[in-house]
Amino acid sequence: DVKVTQSSRYLVKRTGEKVFLECVQDMDHENMFWYRQDPGLGLRLIYFSYDVKMKEKGDIPEGYSVSREKKERFSLILESASTNQTSMYLCASRRGFNQPQHFGDGTRLSIL
Amino acid sequence: KQEVTQIPAALSVPEGENLVLNCSFTDSAIYNLQWFRQDPGKGLTSLLLIQSSQREQTSGRLNASLDKSSGRSTLYIAASQPGDSATYLCAVAGPNNAGNMLTFGGGTRLMVKP
Repeated sequence: DVKVTQSSRYLVKRTGEKVFLECVQDMDHENMFWYRQDPGLGLRLIYFSYDVKMKEKGDIPEGYSVSREKKERFSLILESASTNQTSMYLCASRRGFNQPQHFGDGTRLSIL
Repeated sequence: KQEVTQIPAALSVPEGENLVLNCSFTDSAIYNLQWFRQDPGKGLTSLLLIQSSQREQTSGRLNASLDKSSGRSTLYIAASQPGDSATYLCAVAGPNNAGNMLTFGGGTRLMVKP
């Protein structure tokens, strides 16, 4: 079974802090994704990576950056956290194009 | 821009009933369609993926169909059980970002009563 692990289930940070969300997959998948999920807005793609050190912007990249130094790990960085970034963050990976995406359990992030 | 709609938003059925969840999308130029379930406070579990060239996929009591030309997919759940209670999401790949981006529907919240 595919295992996508997000480092924290719950996280509380302060406005202006730099926040790191980590995601690791154990299936040697090429592609990895970061989404956020908000009531009434559904899931929206922030960034995806199709290979090590490669990234593409999704629908809502503003205020975020990503890092993929190793194939199995994809990090989401909130450069200066703001209250409107309070959300559920979901990481996903897939083997390649036209393959199913597999999700982690999510990180519920609160910015105070 | 691709838009995905799921109707109904919520559904309650007695245990044992067969049921159908609906998903529609506005742009038929898709690469694939994926169905997920999400339990409260958890991530998404992949159920089925249908390639654009396929008409249906089956896994156990689940059957998903795809009619690309009409922009519709259905998820059929046979002999529903209380453990099937969850939110079911459909998502399409394409045409945005060459199929690398999934566009999600708002989900159908299913409750199966014992």
